[in-house]
Amino acid sequence: EAQVTQNPRYLITVTGKKLTVTCSQNMNHEYMSWYRQDPGLGLRQIYYSMNVEVTDKGDVPEGYKVSRKEKRNFPLILESPSPNQTSLYFCASSWSGQGVYEQYFGPGTRLTVT
Amino acid sequence: GENVEQHPSTLSVQEGDSAVIKCTYSDSASNYFPWYKQELGKGPQLIIDIRSNVGEKKDQRIAVTLNKTAKHFSLHITETQPEDSAVYFCAASRFNQGGKLIFGQGTELSVKP
Repeated sequence: EAQVTQNPRYLITVTGKKLTVTCSQNMNHEYMSWYRQDPGLGLRQIYYSMNVEVTDKGDVPEGYKVSRKEKRNFPLILESPSPNQTSLYFCASSWSGQGVYEQYFGPGTRLTVT
Repeated sequence: GENVEQHPSTLSVQEGDSAVIKCTYSDSASNYFPWYKQELGKGPQLIIDIRSNVGEKKDQRIAVTLNKTAKHFSLHITETQPEDSAVYFCAASRFNQGGKLIFGQGTELSVKP
């Protein structure tokens, strides 16, 4: 089954404790992206990757890091989480190249930073 | 910067009625406009999209219209059913950007039986 998986689905942590949210896709997609969803703000892009070892900032990258060492994986790293990073996070993937294609979203990770 | 405004934020309709959600975008170079449906506890899923060379597109009970001059696009759902209840997001993008989407704020649609 074609899918994007994220782990963990739920996470409660404390300020300053480094954490990683994993994302994996099995569709051989080149393009992967991380979004955060907050009430009244919709989905905002944090980082994206056009292919292995190619990443770039989205609209709200502060406080986050990513890496793309393998095509299927795109982890999101919070080196020193703060309460304003409490949010619902989605990973997405799609084909890329010369055009825009349907983005497939993971099930989401609900993060609470106290 | 680029942004997409979406209205209304909540919408309640009776089963069988129509629902309309409207979006306005700021980037005149945008030429790809998808709509995503997000059910409770799940990630968004594409339901329909339209490109700027088309004014209207229909798929069964769902239709999208685009007015490039006014930079408006809308989602129309006819004969609504309880399973249409969800949060709907519009988005805009430039086709050659390879995937960067600017999302609207979302509309929570409730269809009452």
